[in-house]
Amino acid sequence: EPEVTQTPSHQVTQMGQEVILRCVPISNHLYFYWYRQILGQKVEFLVSFYNNEISEKSEIFDDQFSVERPDGSNFTLKIRSTKLEDSAMYFCASSLSRGRSGNTIYFGEGSWLTVV
Amino acid sequence: DAKTTQPTSMDCAEGRAANLPCNHSTISGNEYVYWYRQIHSQGPQYIIHGLKNNETNEMASLIITEDRKSSTLILPHATLRDTAVYYCIVRVEGFKTIFGAGTRLFVKA
Repeated sequence: EPEVTQTPSHQVTQMGQEVILRCVPISNHLYFYWYRQILGQKVEFLVSFYNNEISEKSEIFDDQFSVERPDGSNFTLKIRSTKLEDSAMYFCASSLSRGRSGNTIYFGEGSWLTVV
Repeated sequence: DAKTTQPTSMDCAEGRAANLPCNHSTISGNEYVYWYRQIHSQGPQYIIHGLKNNETNEMASLIITEDRKSSTLILPHATLRDTAVYYCIVRVEGFKTIFGAGTRLFVKA
């Protein structure tokens, strides 16, 4: 069964450092997403990406964050200068379409980021 | 904000059906109801979705009331591995999927 894969599964970084989280969405999917979940809290939407540009973003997704699809398979989330409060599980997701009937979003297993 | 209301937690005996309710009284006519679950800290796992009709797949059944203001996810024979947080989500316009707090289901031996 096709799946969304994410690397690394866990990363520890020092405050102020740049971090890149990588994702390989399901191969025929066209819409890509990042979500995050701070320990013990809800899953929060960060950003969606389609046709090589951001489609929608939340208020969490400020100038410290950026996304990129550098090639035909990878989708990355960059945090430019990490803060302690960026410690969270980051989930990548993808969907085939955005139409409501075909908009089932499939999630990866997550990348756990710890900022120290 | 999430447009759904779910109980905070529920218990179910192993082997019995788990019935998880969800209220979505403000759902609009062409919005789908999606169910996901999250086991421990894993990624949310898609379970099922529906518009008006009841739906069934290998994981679960989804019963949507005629007025579409509520729905019930049914796990027909719950196992210990079904212990998870279950999210009922109404698809909103655009790309966002808004997760609420969900229902924490405990399946007990």
